[in-house]
Amino acid sequence: KNEVEQSPQNLTAQEGEFITINCSYSVGISALHWLQQHPGGGIVSLFMLSSGKKKHGRLIATINIQEKHSSLHITASHPRDSAVYICAALYNTDKLIFGTGTRLQVFP
Amino acid sequence: NAGVMQNPRHLVRRRGQEARLRCSPMKGHSHVYWYRQLPEEGLKFMVYLQKENIIDESGMPKERFSAEFPKEGPSILRIQQVVRGDSAAYFCASSPGTRDYNEQFFGPGTRLTVL
Repeated sequence: KNEVEQSPQNLTAQEGEFITINCSYSVGISALHWLQQHPGGGIVSLFMLSSGKKKHGRLIATINIQEKHSSLHITASHPRDSAVYICAALYNTDKLIFGTGTRLQVFP
Repeated sequence: NAGVMQNPRHLVRRRGQEARLRCSPMKGHSHVYWYRQLPEEGLKFMVYLQKENIIDESGMPKERFSAEFPKEGPSILRIQQVVRGDSAAYFCASSPGTRDYNEQFFGPGTRLTVL
């Protein structure tokens, strides 16, 4: 069964803190997405990666194929980073299987 | 290059009515995916379409739901005889569908409320 698990479910942080969100998945993925969903509900694709590491501004995503694990890091967190972060695995069938999301709140 | 467009953004229907949700993919994208997010739940795959073809509809409820992606025009998700349990946010995503690059880009969603 194709599954995606995320942790933690909820995360609070003070502005400036380093944030890590974890995602584990079962075998056979072709790529992994990290998505951001703001309170208004829209979904933004942050990264798609199948190996190694990607960086965009203060966001870094890594994936370890052998351990079937990916992490999303936010450096120097800011209140505007408050959102739900979702990892989603792309299996060979081309459909995304989503984690349950991590609700992040960053306080000033 | 406009992103994925969905309309309407909000749709209110009474029980028993029909709901039609539209999705225009990004320019150059030939693959469309529909996902549903029930209140306080995660996103779930519904259906994957290419132009004029349904590739995978394993996530679609067996009754009342249908989807199409015609040669011309947007993809349509149609829900007949809506019930309160259909109230959810429906997201569409599109991708170019090439082997080397198949990232999915999401639309803003349609929030369906069934009274």
